[in-house]
Amino acid sequence: NAGVTQTPKFQVLKTGQSMTLQCAQDMNHEYMSWYRQDPGMGLRLIHYSVGAGITDQGEVPNGYNVSRSTTEDFPLRLLSAAPSQTSVYFCASQPSGPPYEQYFGPGTRLTVT
Amino acid sequence: AQTVTQSQPEMSVQEAETVTLSCTYDTSENNYYLFWYKQPPSRQMILVIRQEAYKQQNATENRFSVNFQKAAKSFSLKISDSQLGDTAMYFCAFMKEGQGAQKLVFGQGTRLTINP
Repeated sequence: NAGVTQTPKFQVLKTGQSMTLQCAQDMNHEYMSWYRQDPGMGLRLIHYSVGAGITDQGEVPNGYNVSRSTTEDFPLRLLSAAPSQTSVYFCASQPSGPPYEQYFGPGTRLTVT
Repeated sequence: AQTVTQSQPEMSVQEAETVTLSCTYDTSENNYYLFWYKQPPSRQMILVIRQEAYKQQNATENRFSVNFQKAAKSFSLKISDSQLGDTAMYFCAFMKEGQGAQKLVFGQGTRLTINP
């Protein structure tokens, strides 16, 4: 099993550009989430999904869009990149029942200039 | 809303010593889970230990153990016989059970350095 994979590992964008961060998992987990990690802060939830076709907002959803057409994939779209979105982005997946352990991808470091 | 607070931004100990990282949380929920995650310089988030709130017994995983005080809403991590490989950021996290059991709320993290 590859677990949770994310692409790309690094990305530099100019203000106003759009892009999609890819996330895939091969563990057949129902739940998937996107977090961002800023310096000096813990991870904060952007969006999450409890199954294909079902998504919801987390703590910091503004400027991001998600969809979940399959169990395996959960892409995160930046609609119009801003310097405030410079961060490290983590995708995670989790089974729908106990013990509720989240498995994290390796992260994507995004810089918006 | 739940909040998680880690009051120690940085800690440093000598190899083989024991170190305790603090975490407090605020919630009105009765059923929840608490976690400690380790983030080494590689950036990968690694689960260290997990505690179910309904369990009175403190969780242990080899050199890692927790002191879970539900009434005080405290969840500290003890690392015994610390090793150089324990150097990392450590995050305390909260997850409520049932609806919402996919949202982890993280503390700000504690940077732990193990010195040779």
